[in-house]
Amino acid sequence: EDKVVQSPLSLVVHEGDTVTLNCSYEVTNFRSLLWYKQEKKAPTFLFMLTSSGIEKKSGRLSSILDKKELSSILNITATQTGDSAIYLCARDFGNEKLTFGTGTRLTIIP
Amino acid sequence: SAVISQKPSRDICQRGTSLTIQCQVDSQVTMMFWYRQQPGQSLTLIATANQGSEATYESGFVIDKFPISRPNLTFSTLTVSNMSPEDSSIYLCSVEDGVSYEQYFGPGTRLTVT
Repeated sequence: EDKVVQSPLSLVVHEGDTVTLNCSYEVTNFRSLLWYKQEKKAPTFLFMLTSSGIEKKSGRLSSILDKKELSSILNITATQTGDSAIYLCARDFGNEKLTFGTGTRLTIIP
Repeated sequence: SAVISQKPSRDICQRGTSLTIQCQVDSQVTMMFWYRQQPGQSLTLIATANQGSEATYESGFVIDKFPISRPNLTFSTLTVSNMSPEDSSIYLCSVEDGVSYEQYFGPGTRLTVT
């Protein structure tokens, strides 16, 4: 069965800390892995990782795809209270349908 | 990236009634997707809406319960029929950018069924 598992399920850190969120999957053949931030209703696009783009960075956020380990990590450095959200990863098999992970709820304490 | 709007933003409905959710995109897209997010859960794909053909439903979702229309390349509707409290969820439409393959979501519709 196609599964996307994220860990930890929840994480509470202090402002300024660095966090690493994990996403693992089971099937090797896919087109891309995507990361989203969900604060209220709509997931906001963060990164898309593919075979030709296994590392992405934007400001304090960065993400790496490890195809050998069938996993991806999302790093957030110097966290701020505005980073508090649910972070979702999802896989696209190339048919444009996304399979989402369970999500990680990140809480940043001032 | 595509700009997606959804209406309504939220609604509270009575058991047994139906609600139609609209999704509008500012550019033409081949496929539009409808997702559901039940409380405390992750997103689950309901169906894929193609213009000019029947929607394709995922396992566990049927057309009688979630009829979908796709009259043109920028618009789609999802109807939640004969609602029960278990249908209380956030409903989201999404589209894929035809160049970058990045997927973007609309602002969502929060549905509460009493």
